Amino acid sequence: ELKVEQNPLFLSMQEGKNYTIYCNYSTTSDRLYWYRQDPGKSLESLFVLLSNGAVKQEGRLMASLDTKARLSTLHITAAVHDLSATYFCAVDTGNQFYFGTGTSLTVIP
Amino acid sequence: EAGVTQSPTHLIKTRGQQATLRCSPISGHTSVYWYQQALGLGLQFLLWYDEGEERNRGNFPPRFSGRQFPNYSSELNVNALELEDSALYLCASSRAVGQPQHFGDGTRLSIL
Repeated sequence: ELKVEQNPLFLSMQEGKNYTIYCNYSTTSDRLYWYRQDPGKSLESLFVLLSNGAVKQEGRLMASLDTKARLSTLHITAAVHDLSATYFCAVDTGNQFYFGTGTSLTVIP
Repeated sequence: EAGVTQSPTHLIKTRGQQATLRCSPISGHTSVYWYQQALGLGLQFLLWYDEGEERNRGNFPPRFSGRQFPNYSSELNVNALELEDSALYLCASSRAVGQPQHFGDGTRLSIL
C-alpha cells in the first residue's frame, strides 16, 4: 500500500519566520495536492501539482513537486497567524487518493 | 456554483444501529469519494463512486457500503455501528479521475 509521510507532524513557528513542510510518498505518481483544514472545518484545496518540477505559489505559500524523488514541499514565507491550520498532502494514483498524516501548524505572534 | 453538500451535519446513534449519510456533489462532477477522519488518525479512504459504479474501496469492513444515484448524489451506509465508527465523514467530488477533489463540510457521526 502506498505510504504518504509528512513531516513535521507538529510545527510551532513565530510570525515572520520561514519554514518548509515535507511530503514523501512511496510510489510513482505525478499528481499531488495540498489541502488546508481549519479546526472543525472541511478541507480547502490549496495547490494542484500535476508534473515533475511543478511549482505553484499563492500568497505566503509555495508548493513544489519532484516526482523522481517522490517529494513535495510546502514552503511558508514570513508566517502570519492566519496560516495556523493543519496541512495535508494527497497523492493521486489514478485509482485512489492517499492522504498524508497532516502537519498541524501553529503560528505564534 | 454550489459546493459539495452533506447531510446531516451531526448524527448521534447507539451501538448496533445503522446510519445513512448523504452527499450531493458539485454540479458536473461525476465522481464521489467518501473518507473517514477519526480523531488522531488522519483521512482514511472509504469508497469511490463514478458514473454510478463503485470503482474502489478502502480497507474497511463490508458493513460500510454505499451507492451513487443517477443524479450523481451518493449515500454512505454504516451498519451495526461500533463505538470506533465515531468520526467525521467527509465526502468529496471531482469532475473526473485525476481532477482535484472538492470537499463538503462533513457529517460528524457520534456513537454512544
